[in-house]
Amino acid sequence: AQSVTQLDSQVPVFEEAPVELRCNYSSSVSVYLFWYVQYPNQGLQLLLKYLSGSTLVKGINGFEAEFNKSQTSFHLRKPSVHISDTAEYFCAVRRTGGGADGLTFGKGTHLIIQP
Amino acid sequence: NAGVTQTPKFRVLKTGQSMTLLCAQDMNHEYMYWYRQDPGMGLRLIHYSVGEGTTAKGEVPDGYNVSRLKKQNFLLGLESAAPSQTSVYFCASSYGWNQPQHFGDGTRLSIL
Repeated sequence: AQSVTQLDSQVPVFEEAPVELRCNYSSSVSVYLFWYVQYPNQGLQLLLKYLSGSTLVKGINGFEAEFNKSQTSFHLRKPSVHISDTAEYFCAVRRTGGGADGLTFGKGTHLIIQP
Repeated sequence: NAGVTQTPKFRVLKTGQSMTLLCAQDMNHEYMYWYRQDPGMGLRLIHYSVGEGTTAKGEVPDGYNVSRLKKQNFLLGLESAAPSQTSVYFCASSYGWNQPQHFGDGTRLSIL
């Protein structure tokens, strides 16, 4: 089984400042990693994913994340945030082996952008 | 592109009532999933399907049933609703088991 820990339930940041949202995972097998964003009253949208290859992954809206296997982390970063980035962000994992069991999500981090 | 469409968007039920949530996808995806989202809990998998005619239990399946009679539809049923099932329900689909999941906009369900 896998588990995901998002260390911060809420992160307030000033507009145009950088931000890092932390994600750590636990798994006895190899995993794929994902970040999703949820805007108010909407479903989840994929920001970026790590399946293999380069550990630095770039996603949409200027976000990027780095996979660190030794620290079992997949932190999300953006160098300069906008008001429109205010949303809930979810880190998720799934095992790399075959099978369609779904994603395991963290509890989410609410990113609050202050003007 | 409609993507993943969930109906209804909102529903209020009384304890003991039954209802069915419908999920439809137009992307020809094989895999479909039902999650529930509760405050401070993230999303938890209820049931999933790897193809037409197949279903499997996820992390929190109790009190729910599902059916996948057609490839494009995945139905979630509550036979006897309980207040603990008050939640936001999300359907998702993916082309392959290792491909990103596409989510619907959710169904807000309140059980009184």
